[in-house]
Amino acid sequence: QVQLVQSGAEVKKPGASVKVSCKASGYTFTSYGINWVRQAPGQGLEWMGWISAYNGNTNFAQKLQGRVTLTTDTSTSTAYMELRSLRSDDTAVYYCARAAAGHGFDIWGQGTMVTVSS
Amino acid sequence: DIVMTQSPDFLAVSLGERATINCKSSQSVLYSSNNKNYLAWYQQKPGQPPKLLTYWASARESGVPDRFSGSGSGTDFTLIISSLQAEDVAVYYCQQYYSTPWTFGQGTKVEIK
Repeated sequence: QVQLVQSGAEVKKPGASVKVSCKASGYTFTSYGINWVRQAPGQGLEWMGWISAYNGNTNFAQKLQGRVTLTTDTSTSTAYMELRSLRSDDTAVYYCARAAAGHGFDIWGQGTMVTVSS
Repeated sequence: DIVMTQSPDFLAVSLGERATINCKSSQSVLYSSNNKNYLAWYQQKPGQPPKLLTYWASARESGVPDRFSGSGSGTDFTLIISSLQAEDVAVYYCQQYYSTPWTFGQGTKVEIK
């Protein structure tokens, strides 16, 4: 079945970096984009950025520009999100979500909890 | 950025009754070239990722029960749960994907009265 499986929980210190993976299966990876969305504890959903799995084009939320990098590995159908210079307010569940043109975010990963604490 | 505002923040409805959630965008999300509204609704249960319910404002995602229906155009949208079931207890979010940054409403928590 179509699914996105994310890497496990991470605990990082302030100033460090984290890299979360999102492995796709059950569909042609390069036919869709991947979005990254985060959710701080008890809060709503915040879109972080998007990457085309076809050509690697990206688009980012301005507040994160310069701290986040999105990449894909088409040989393994895996998308990656790296966030640098971590702060305590980056503590959140990070989700990847498939994007089909005009269709919203139809498939979501299970989420990866990233905790930033000294 | 397009700001999405949902109302109410919290809704308590009796089993079998109708639940209505509203979503207003700060600018139109209707593409004139294809006459489609780039507006989606999601359901999120505790400890789970969001689940897509509707897209293009009113198109129901495959597998979503027909008690969920979306409507509206331009800047004003509504999600209706026609007969609330126990499994519908969740937080519901609207989202515009008309222009980046894609933005979500703040969420509406639906509980059983």
